[in-house]
Amino acid sequence: GAVVSQHPSRVICKSGTSVKIECRSLDFQATTMFWYRQFPKQSLMLMATSNEGSKATYEQGVEKDKFLINHASLTLSTLTVTSAHPEDSSFYICSARDGAESSYNSPLHFGNGTRLTVT
Amino acid sequence: AQSVTQLDSQVPVFEEAPVELRCNYSSSVSVYLFWYVQYPNQGLQLLLKYLSGSTLVKGINGFEAEFNKSQTSFHLRKPSVHISDTAEYFCAGNFGNEKLTFGTGTRLTIIP
Repeated sequence: GAVVSQHPSRVICKSGTSVKIECRSLDFQATTMFWYRQFPKQSLMLMATSNEGSKATYEQGVEKDKFLINHASLTLSTLTVTSAHPEDSSFYICSARDGAESSYNSPLHFGNGTRLTVT
Repeated sequence: AQSVTQLDSQVPVFEEAPVELRCNYSSSVSVYLFWYVQYPNQGLQLLLKYLSGSTLVKGINGFEAEFNKSQTSFHLRKPSVHISDTAEYFCAGNFGNEKLTFGTGTRLTIIP
């Protein structure tokens, strides 16, 4: 089956530093990737949609200068949390859609998430 | 507006008992529906999906769901649960664009 690898699984950083999270599709080409944020015991909040080779589309209320998304290839998207603050601590999850499948009714494949803690 | 609603935030069930997790949707357009499961500190895994055709869909781990258009529901069921089914379950819908709209999730707790 389609596998999405997300790294790191956990990261602790100091306030003011930047953290990069990688999301890779291992056995398929992902033309579209999605980044979510999940607060404890809550649902997933879509942060942005990234399409290979173009700028990401951010959801309302998400700071694009703070959460930098790059989708430079068909198998890799990165999320960089810049100048991280304690309130950025959260669980970040990426997902990808197989470019070979019909678009809207094909399921998303999820990474295992990254637990970010900013001290 | 399109939405997905999971009214039950927590559902405790005794081991080997049946379970139903409720999901309702609101949409003025055709909808594709999904159930995902999330184990602690992990991403989401697809349980099953409804795209069209038969309204009863079977998924992994013995789960099934029935699409009911008149009641705008897509409830998830399992006839006999196991301890390993303890997890968070999310219903999600696609309403004709590339995004998925998630419900707020239901935490299923299996009581030994």
